[in-house]
Amino acid sequence: EAGVAQSPRYKIIEKRQSVAFWCNPISGHATLYWYQQILGQGPKLLIQFQNNGVVDDSQLPKDRFSAERLKGVDSTLKIQPAKLEDSAVYLCASSLELAGNNEQFFGPGTRLTVL
Amino acid sequence: GNSVTQMEGPVTLSEEAFLTINCTYTATGYPSLFWYVQYPGEGLQLLLKATKADDKGSNKGFEATYRKETTSFHLEKGSVQVSDSAVYFCALSDRGSQGNLIFGKGTKLSVKP
Repeated sequence: EAGVAQSPRYKIIEKRQSVAFWCNPISGHATLYWYQQILGQGPKLLIQFQNNGVVDDSQLPKDRFSAERLKGVDSTLKIQPAKLEDSAVYLCASSLELAGNNEQFFGPGTRLTVL
Repeated sequence: GNSVTQMEGPVTLSEEAFLTINCTYTATGYPSLFWYVQYPGEGLQLLLKATKADDKGSNKGFEATYRKETTSFHLEKGSVQVSDSAVYFCALSDRGSQGNLIFGKGTKLSVKP
């Protein structure tokens, strides 16, 4: 079974530029998550989708971050414009369904460096 | 709000040593508790979980017991191997939430031969 795929693996941009990350979850997984992991910290949830609807985006900085999951499968996360403090690893995860005890499967992440 | 506190790292042990990584949590209600592991160059993966008080999660020789009275979920292994070198994250998911995970800061473990 293929895991969660993410691309690119690494991205370096200058501040005020825009960037987009892509995620393909495990086939059949209805729930998709985007996390931000700053160096030395645990992952922090940015947004959660159930199929193509947003379940929780309370911690997403909506003035610069946006995300979509148009067909309920792949998802993209965009930052525009980027700030220095956005340097982090962006993790995508998926799970079969919406439930507190469900295992989440994580992709390898995209490491973003903002100069 | 809900939170997870785990012991600061890094932790350096010799092979076959006993491992404990402390984790305590603050949560409303009765959360599910998890340990995730991140091996060098790889993504996060679930190591073990417990969904109710007094449950013991176990996998690959690691175990952790859900202690409601002390709000703890400490990770233990009796004899670590070099291959256990990784970053370990304690996490909780509030039953009232939609499956969102709240993570601790992670503890880096290095095992020397």
